[in-house]
Amino acid sequence: DAKTTQPNSMESNEEEPVHLPCNHSTISGTDYIHWYRQLPSQGPEYVIHGLTSNVNNRMASLAIAEDRKSSTLILHRATLRDAAVYYCILRDVAGSSNTGKLIFGQGTTLQVKP
Amino acid sequence: KAGVTQTPRYLIKTRGQQVTLSCSPISGHRSVSWYQQTPGQGLQFLFEYFSETQRNKGNFPGRFSGRQFSNSRSEMNVSTLELGDSALYLCASSLLGKTDTQYFGPGTRLTVL
Repeated sequence: DAKTTQPNSMESNEEEPVHLPCNHSTISGTDYIHWYRQLPSQGPEYVIHGLTSNVNNRMASLAIAEDRKSSTLILHRATLRDAAVYYCILRDVAGSSNTGKLIFGQGTTLQVKP
Repeated sequence: KAGVTQTPRYLIKTRGQQVTLSCSPISGHRSVSWYQQTPGQGLQFLFEYFSETQRNKGNFPGRFSGRQFSNSRSEMNVSTLELGDSALYLCASSLLGKTDTQYFGPGTRLTVL
């Protein structure tokens, strides 16, 4: 399974944009890039995913580098509620690894200051 | 739609005992996965069930087992508990597994004394 690398922690001020980076230099052509986050005392929740093109949804935006070796999760205006651990996960749509299994790294702990 | 529910939310056991945790997936979801979360190891995949069959298994000893019922509800069992089994056990459900979005429950906090 391809690995991802994220910074251990980041800080942001409330109502400012946050850019959370993820490196995945060994990504394969059939790997989707998924982001989940885990708020304190809760289970992880889905944030966004993409393959090649940049993606937007109500929670965030996902910017994917042209070579797909890195991506950035963008929170446009951080709120205190966005303080969480953010996980960047690769999911292969092909072959035998096509199961619901998620491989979590250590993620990035985001602190949001008022 | 109701979310993924897990029972019990908190559990205290002693070494050597066994424990059964329960997970009710979102209605219509057929895939259920289990994860163990500890401060040292983070989130680790235990196993996944789909249509009552174990489809994938993580690297855990045989003391950890699970099953899925015809209504997609799932249980996991840990026998001969060890102190190191103290963790948050999370259940996730999805429509078919694969690359579907996984919806997680709040977890069961197991403490082994």
